[in-house]
Amino acid sequence: SYELTQPPSVSVSPGQTARITCSGDALPKQYAYWYQQKPGQAPVLVIYKDSERPSGIPERFSGSSSGTTVTLTISGVQAEDEADYYCQSADSSGTYGVFGGGTKLTVL
Amino acid sequence: EVQLVESGGGLVQPGGSLRLSCAASGFTFSSYWMHWVRQAPGKGLVWVSRINSDGSSTSYADSVKGRFTISRDNAKNTLYLQMNSLRAEDTAVYYCARGIEGPRGRGYYFDYWGQGTLVTVSS
Repeated sequence: SYELTQPPSVSVSPGQTARITCSGDALPKQYAYWYQQKPGQAPVLVIYKDSERPSGIPERFSGSSSGTTVTLTISGVQAEDEADYYCQSADSSGTYGVFGGGTKLTVL
Repeated sequence: EVQLVESGGGLVQPGGSLRLSCAASGFTFSSYWMHWVRQAPGKGLVWVSRINSDGSSTSYADSVKGRFTISRDNAKNTLYLQMNSLRAEDTAVYYCARGIEGPRGRGYYFDYWGQGTLVTVSS
């Protein structure tokens, strides 16, 4: 089955830039999406179609894509950004959804 | 305001069945694909199933294929997940989510999520 690979954890100090990567063989063909999930809450979409930001999401959240890797970048990290982040895409047919294993962002 | 409210979770024995419901409001339910996504305690998100806007097309993750059935009632603005032959590994919070289809063949994403309902499979 198709998999997306994320680092389990990323740590940054407030004000620094956090980068979370996600790798998958189908990513050159399929869009990637990013979700933020805080404890006890449902996920929230923060990036769609690799690099688009939904309304209401702060500008410090951005996304990029290069080959089989997509990256979520959070510039000027704030304490409130501490959460789990998941990338999501689909298999090469676009039929079956898949999530990365999630990355816990710790703000030191 | 878009709202998705899941119900029907609870404790069930291995081999048992459960039907989850997701009541939708604040949007034209019959125009959207809908999905179920689950999250085992302390684990990551896992896509489970999807259904198209009129209910004529469904897809399932391999882990639930043949045991779970997704359906919808557009007259009642409600999404369902019938879960049979439940196993301990099906224990999770189950979320319903509204799907947005990408360009043809380029997958989809979830723009609104419910708060989830907990399913516990244990004897």
